[in-house]
Formats: sequence, C-alpha cells, structure tokens
Amino acid sequence: DAGVTQSPTHLIKTRGQHVTLRCSPISGHKSVSWYQQVLGQGPQFIFQYYEKEERGRGNFPDRFSARQFPNYSSELNVNALLLGDSALYLCASSLAGTVAYEQYFGPGTRLTVT
Amino acid sequence: GDSVTQMEGPVTLSEEAFLTINCTYTATGYPSLFWYVQYPGEGLQLLLKATKADDKGSNKGFEATYRKETTSFHLEKGSVQVSDSAVYFCALNDYKLSFGAGTTVTVRA
Repeated sequence: DAGVTQSPTHLIKTRGQHVTLRCSPISGHKSVSWYQQVLGQGPQFIFQYYEKEERGRGNFPDRFSARQFPNYSSELNVNALLLGDSALYLCASSLAGTVAYEQYFGPGTRLTVT
Repeated sequence: GDSVTQMEGPVTLSEEAFLTINCTYTATGYPSLFWYVQYPGEGLQLLLKATKADDKGSNKGFEATYRKETTSFHLEKGSVQVSDSAVYFCALNDYKLSFGAGTTVTVRA
C-alpha cells in the first residue's frame, strides 16, 4: 500500500506570496494532521482534520489555513509568506483522531521563502 | 500545555555500545507516547509506541517503557550499529503530536 504522499517536494516562493501544499493520506485513514519542522527542531503541530472537520489548531497565525476533502486528502494554505515560514512541512495520517492511533508521516514539502 | 523534554545531543557512540536517550513529558490527560526516527534525507518514521502506563514498546532492538510515576519514556538499545545513526524524536499524542527537540545520534564503526 502507498504511504502518505505530499506535493510538491520542494518549493521556492517570494515574501508576500501565497502557497498551497497537498497531502494524500494512507488508504483508509480519515485523519490528517499538518506539522512545521524548522531545521534543527522538532515538528510543531499546525492543524488536525478528521472526517473533513477541524479537530485542532496549533499556535500559528491566521495566515495558515487548511481543509480536508471528501476523499480525505488535504491542503495547507499559507498567505502573505514571511521568511520565517521557510521550513519542512509534514503531513501525517492516522485511522482516527484518537490518542492511541499512531500517525504516519509523508516525506514533506520543503518550502523556501526568499 | 503538554510538552516533551528530551536529552540534548549530539550523541556519538561506537558500534555495539549501549544507547540511552532520556525523555520526560508533561501532560494533563493520558497520552500515548511515541519514538520517531528521522534518517538522513528521509522523513519521520514511527519507531515504537506505548499507549498506557507500564506498557513497553519495542522495535528493531529499541525499547522504551511508559513510566507514569516518573513521567518518562526513555529509549534504549543494547548494541547500536552504524545504521542507527539518525535523529530520534520523543513525542506524546493527545490528539496532536507534541515533539521533543530531537537527539542526533552518530554511531562510528
């Protein structure tokens, strides 16, 4: 079975621009979460979606938004990009949103803002 | 809020040495605990998990026990190999994953 897939792999944007990152979960998984990993640090939670509804949001500004589609794939949108948004963006999927289920990560999208 | 503190690195070991990476957590509920590993140039992979107190997770020779009394989930391996060189992350899950800062482990032949 295919794992979590993310696109694009790499992206270079200019300050002030907008970006959309995409994620397809493992087949059968209904929950998708997004994380930001700055170089040298652990991933930081951005959003969790389960059954197309937002279940949680981390400490990120309103410039960050996301949604989940009926096929459980997800998009992360970031508006008005700042240099500090440069990071690896990770998508993770799990069977459900409860604590016992492990989250499986995709390879990530490397975003560079210049 | 929930948080994870793990031993700072980097850690450098010789092959067949014993590895311990300390991890402690703060949580208001009853989280599940995980260790994830990130090999050079790759994404995060689940290494092992424990869902309740006194559970022991194990995989690929690594072990960690969920200790509620000491709020700890230390990772251990009895004999490391060069292929174990990676960054190791401790994490707790109370619907979202809260990660530690990561510990870089380098194993020399």
